[in-house]
Amino acid sequence: AQSVTQLDSHVSVSEGTPVLLRCNYSSSYSPSLFWYVQHPNKGLQLLLKYTSAATLVKGINGFEAEFKKSETSFHLTKPSAHMSDAAEYFCVVSDPYNTDKLIFGTGTRLQVFP
Amino acid sequence: DADVTQTPRNRITKTGKRIMLECSQTKGHDRMYWYRQDPGLGLRLIYYSFDVKDINKGEISDGYSVSRQAQAKFSLSLESAIPNQTALYFCAASGSTDTQYFGPGTRLTVL
Repeated sequence: AQSVTQLDSHVSVSEGTPVLLRCNYSSSYSPSLFWYVQHPNKGLQLLLKYTSAATLVKGINGFEAEFKKSETSFHLTKPSAHMSDAAEYFCVVSDPYNTDKLIFGTGTRLQVFP
Repeated sequence: DADVTQTPRNRITKTGKRIMLECSQTKGHDRMYWYRQDPGLGLRLIYYSFDVKDINKGEISDGYSVSRQAQAKFSLSLESAIPNQTALYFCAASGSTDTQYFGPGTRLTVL
């Protein structure tokens, strides 16, 4: 069965410092992997998506994620945090037997301090 | 994403009441989904629909029903609401790829 583990429930960084949000997945086949962001009182917005075309995926707002099959990881990074990055981030994998079923991690809340 | 809208945005109701949450999308996507979000649990799939005549149960369909009135509309009903259905509900839509686009959410409180 597919699963996603977000290793940190909360991450705090100072503005201008790097961001690292960690995600490990379990999947029998090459999965599609996503990162979504949820700002307070807003819906989920797609940050980026991995579909095996390239292991380093660039997303919106300066975020990127690297697919590492050997480590079964898909960590989200950003070189320099901005106050507007404060939000909840979800790592998501699609079920290869039914791509309509997305399996969500439990989320990582990112705080950015001035 | 403004292409997927949900009404109402907030609702407070009492145990035993029937509630309907509405979702509309303007992108012409075939597939639509309903999820609920609970603190610390991420999102869980309630129902999904490939088209007007195709409805499928998700992970947690008990206590819920859905109706796909048209390609653009997908409503979620709670026939007799109970307090543990208090949650944030999201609708999503997708086209030919597995990328889903989410609405802004409906916060439901059952007293």
